[in-house]
Amino acid sequence: QLQLQESGPGLVKPSETLSLTCIVSGGSMSDISHNWGWIRQAPGKGLEWIAMMYDGGYIFYNPSLKSRVTISVDSSRSQLSLKVRSVTAGDTAVYYCVRYTRFADYFDSWGQGILVTVSS
Amino acid sequence: QSALTQPPSASGSPGQSVTISCTGTSSDVGAYNFVSWYQQHPGNAPKLIIYEVTQRPSGVPDRFSGSKSGSSASLTVSGLQTEDEADYYCMSYTVAHTVIFGGGTKLTVL
Repeated sequence: QLQLQESGPGLVKPSETLSLTCIVSGGSMSDISHNWGWIRQAPGKGLEWIAMMYDGGYIFYNPSLKSRVTISVDSSRSQLSLKVRSVTAGDTAVYYCVRYTRFADYFDSWGQGILVTVSS
Repeated sequence: QSALTQPPSASGSPGQSVTISCTGTSSDVGAYNFVSWYQQHPGNAPKLIIYEVTQRPSGVPDRFSGSKSGSSASLTVSGLQTEDEADYYCMSYTVAHTVIFGGGTKLTVL
């Protein structure tokens, strides 16, 4: 059974870089029928898609976050990474690592999520 | 990209049916039949309950159904049960190869 587990610091200072890692187990990240990405949810708010990587390394970003976000996939280590630069309190959220099924276009697997708070 | 439009709240009594709407544009909901719905209970990650407008993943009760007309999609929950009380989000693939969520609807079972 596929499992996704996010990890990283729970507290980041304003203007610094938020860095998270997701370990994928129980499945291959090289499967071309799936993409890998990140979604976040601010406290008491809705879901916000951040970015997604297709096979071949193509990455699509939420236009509102594109200038500050980088994602990468290391299939050999079954890892997905997220970096958000120049964070503010508005980046405080639960961050979810997700798997996306292509050609039917839906998120079929989610990590448990990790709360990241931006505060000095 | 602006979020898809959902009503902030919906409610119904046990056994009743409730429909939640999700309105987008010709660049997202209206462009493809790639609308999905997610259920989220407090403290938990979202769970897929509908994909490709009408399809239910294995294990999702047939009380949940989806539909679409033009740039608007809907989720109907029939025979409401107390465990259906949760937040519901629609999502669509877009012509820009991105995805976009609705703002979410809090479903209360009275």
